[in-house]
Amino acid sequence: NAGVTQTPKFRILKIGQSMTLQCTQDMNHNYMYWYRQDPGMGLKLIYYSVGAGITDKGEVPNGYNVSRSTTEDFPLRLELAAPSQTSVYFCASSYLENYNSPLHFGNGTRLTVT
Amino acid sequence: GENVEQHPSTLSVQEGDSAVIKCTYSDSASNYFPWYKQELGKRPQLIIDIRSNVGEKKDQRIAVTLNKTAKHFSLHITETQPEDSAVYFCAASKGSGGGADGLTFGKGTHLIIQP
Repeated sequence: NAGVTQTPKFRILKIGQSMTLQCTQDMNHNYMYWYRQDPGMGLKLIYYSVGAGITDKGEVPNGYNVSRSTTEDFPLRLELAAPSQTSVYFCASSYLENYNSPLHFGNGTRLTVT
Repeated sequence: GENVEQHPSTLSVQEGDSAVIKCTYSDSASNYFPWYKQELGKRPQLIIDIRSNVGEKKDQRIAVTLNKTAKHFSLHITETQPEDSAVYFCAASKGSGGGADGLTFGKGTHLIIQP
C-alpha cells in the first residue's frame, strides 16, 4: 500500500490564482481530512469527509472547497489564493469503525502565496 | 468546539533524563487522546494514544496518563535519547483514529535533548 499520497510537494502561487491540492489513499479508509499547519503552530482542520459524497467544514474552511466523489480521492481547492493561505497542508485518512485504526498522514504540500 | 492547550512550548532536557509534556482539553465528550511526533520537514507520526476508559498506557519508554475529571493528559518519555528530539503534539477527539469530526491539536512542544 502506498498509504496517503499528496501532490504536489511544493507550489508557489501568485495572489488571486487558484489550484487544487490532490490527495488519494489506497487503504479503503472511509474518513479523510485536510489540515493546515502554520509555522510554530499545531494542525488546524480545514474540511473532512466521512465517506464518498459527504463533506463537512472544520475549524478553518474559509477560502477552500473540497469534494469526495470516490472513497480514494479528496482534493482541496483554493479559488483565490491569499498570502494568509501560505502554509503546509496535510491530508489524512482513517477507518473510524476500526477501533485500532490510527490516523495516516500524507507527506504534505508546502504552499507559498506571494 | 474543543480547545486543547499544550505546555511547555519548548522543553530542553539532558540525555537520559525524563521529559513530561502536559495538555488540557475543554470538551468533556472527547474520548480519544493521541500524541504525535513530528520531525523537521516530515509528517506527524502517531506514537501513543489513550482512550477515556483507561487511565494510563505505556509503550517501552513512552507513557501517557489521563485524568478525565481534571480534563488533562500528559506524555512521559523516560531515558531520553537524541532521536527523541522533535516537536510533539497532543490532540483530542470523539472517536478513534482521526476522530468523528477531526482531531483538535495542541500547538506543540519542541523537545530538545541535550547531549
